[in-house]
Amino acid sequence: GAVVSQHPSWVICKSGTSVKIECRSLDFQATTMFWYRQFPKQSLMLMATSNEGSKATYEQGVEKDKFLINHASLTLSTLTVTSAHPEDSSFYICSARDEGTGWTDTQYFGPGTRLTVL
Amino acid sequence: RKEVEQDPGPFNVPEGATVAFNCTYSNSASQSFFWYRQDCRKEPKLLMSVYSSGNEDGRFTAQLNRASQYISLLIRDSKLSDSATYLCAVNMRGNEKLTFGTGTRLTIIP
Repeated sequence: GAVVSQHPSWVICKSGTSVKIECRSLDFQATTMFWYRQFPKQSLMLMATSNEGSKATYEQGVEKDKFLINHASLTLSTLTVTSAHPEDSSFYICSARDEGTGWTDTQYFGPGTRLTVL
Repeated sequence: RKEVEQDPGPFNVPEGATVAFNCTYSNSASQSFFWYRQDCRKEPKLLMSVYSSGNEDGRFTAQLNRASQYISLLIRDSKLSDSATYLCAVNMRGNEKLTFGTGTRLTIIP
């Protein structure tokens, strides 16, 4: 199956700093990637859809100025959590849509980034 | 009503038993359906897509019931390694986004 990587796998930072998370599709091109957040014992919540070469589409309630998304190439999307605060501590997971799968919109997930803001 | 709903469980099932759980969706325009498996503190992994005619992959069988708007997952001869949270996901026609259920936690007991 398709492989998606994320970096870093975990990060601990001080309140007020910014954290950048990278998501890469390793063996396929992805014009669309997705960023999710998952709090403990809760489901994945879609934050935004990242589109190569254009602006990301944010879900309702997600601050676009706080969660900056850049989809610079067909294999790389980045999420920057700006001025992180303890309430931003969560498991951030990206996924990439493998458009080569035909009629089904199969998404493959990266391994996730566990962010802890002190 | 949530777009996608699942019984959170937990389902505690003895090894070797058969277990099934459902996932209901509210939007009749939903087009594609999936089951994902998520282990603790890991990312979801695609278990299987759900086709209109139903599909089987080894011990796993997925069914779609469009009339009643639910999908199901059946696991036969359950193994200890099947313990995980099972997430259903749905997307709408013309929309790339996946909407996930909250997941059903399954524990297989020796």
